This record gives sequence, structure tokens and C-alpha cells, in this order.
Amino acid sequence: SQQGEEDPQALSIQEGENATMNCSYKTSINNLQWYRQNSGRGLVHLILIRSNEREKHSGRLRVTLDTSKKSSSLLITASRAADTASYFCAPSGYNQGGKLIFGQGTELSVKP
Amino acid sequence: SQTIHQWPATLVQPVGSPLSLECTVEGTSNPNLYWYRQAAGRGLQLLFYSVGIGQISSEVPQNLSASRPQDRQFILSSKKLLLSDSGFYLCAWSRDEAYEQYFGPGTRLTVT
Repeated sequence: SQQGEEDPQALSIQEGENATMNCSYKTSINNLQWYRQNSGRGLVHLILIRSNEREKHSGRLRVTLDTSKKSSSLLITASRAADTASYFCAPSGYNQGGKLIFGQGTELSVKP
Repeated sequence: SQTIHQWPATLVQPVGSPLSLECTVEGTSNPNLYWYRQAAGRGLQLLFYSVGIGQISSEVPQNLSASRPQDRQFILSSKKLLLSDSGFYLCAWSRDEAYEQYFGPGTRLTVT
């Protein structure tokens, strides 16, 4: 299965701190994607990292990918209260129509 | 730019009634289309995906069906709703399997 498994399930930090979320998967991937979901809303794409990439940055976000360990991490630096949301990783395999199998996500709470 | 629409935003339906949720995408052609369901406090479950008109792949056996009558229209249907069909239904599109998905605002369905 291409399902991503996020860890931890919940994370509570203070504003200004860094937040790190991890993702593990089981089979070979074409790419791995991270999404954010604010309560009651649709998902927002954050970063896509391809299987031949090791690290990618976007603003305060940093994603790493280790295909040998079948794992990825999302780092949010200098977190803000507005970063409070659920975060999901989604591995995407080859020739599967791009379908994503999401895990349960990491629920991040950033306290002001 | 591309936009994705879903309607209705909320829906309350009695058990045994039919269902029709619609999703349309603007500003792109021949997108991959996806239907997901999210139960309260849980991750997303992929229900159907489509790589072209009339091409529907079902991921989970259930009393739901999907159709793609036009290139940028994706419809989720049921002939008779069950209580377990309650949830948050999300439609998404992508350029193809190598790219990120863009989600609509979702439809919150409550079956009573």
C-alpha cells in the first residue's frame, strides 16, 4: 500500500518554535506530497518532493525525503498560530493515476 | 488560473434517499479527478478516481458510484444513502499522476 503514516498524531508547541512531523511509507514512490487542512476545510497542497530529490524548501517549510528508509519529514520553522491545522503526507506511486492514500495526519496546535 | 467547485456545501439527507454531488474544474483540460471522503476526526479515504471521460476506478466497495460525463465534471452518486455515508466529501484534480492535487471546498453530508 502507498499509504503514508504520520507521526506524531498530535503535536502542541508555542509560537516561534519549530515543528517537525514525520511520514513513513512502504513501497517505491514517484513522489511524496504534503498537505495542510484547516478545520472543516479542503486540503491545501504544501510541497511535492520527487523520488530523486532529497530536500525541498518553500518559505518556512522544509521537506526531506529518504527513499532508503522510506521516510519523509516536514519541518515548519518559526511557527505561528495560523499554522494550527492537520498535516498529511501522501506518497504517490507510478502508473496509479496519481491516486493518493492519506494517513490519519498530524494535528498541530500552535499556541500564542 | 484553475478553480475547482463543489456543491452543495452542506447537505442533510434521510437514510434511503438518493445522492448527487457535483464537482467541476475550470481552467484546465483532461485533468485527473478524485473523490475522497473524510469521517469526523479521521484521514481521507480515496473513493474514486478518473484519468479521462468515462474512465472510473473504484477504490472501496460501497453503495456509492461516480461518473464523469464531461471532461471537467465529476459526479458522486448513491441510489440509497446509509447512515455510514455521512462525512466530508472532497473532490480534487491534478494535471496527471506526477503532479500535486488541488482540492475543492468540500461537501458536508449528514445522513439522518
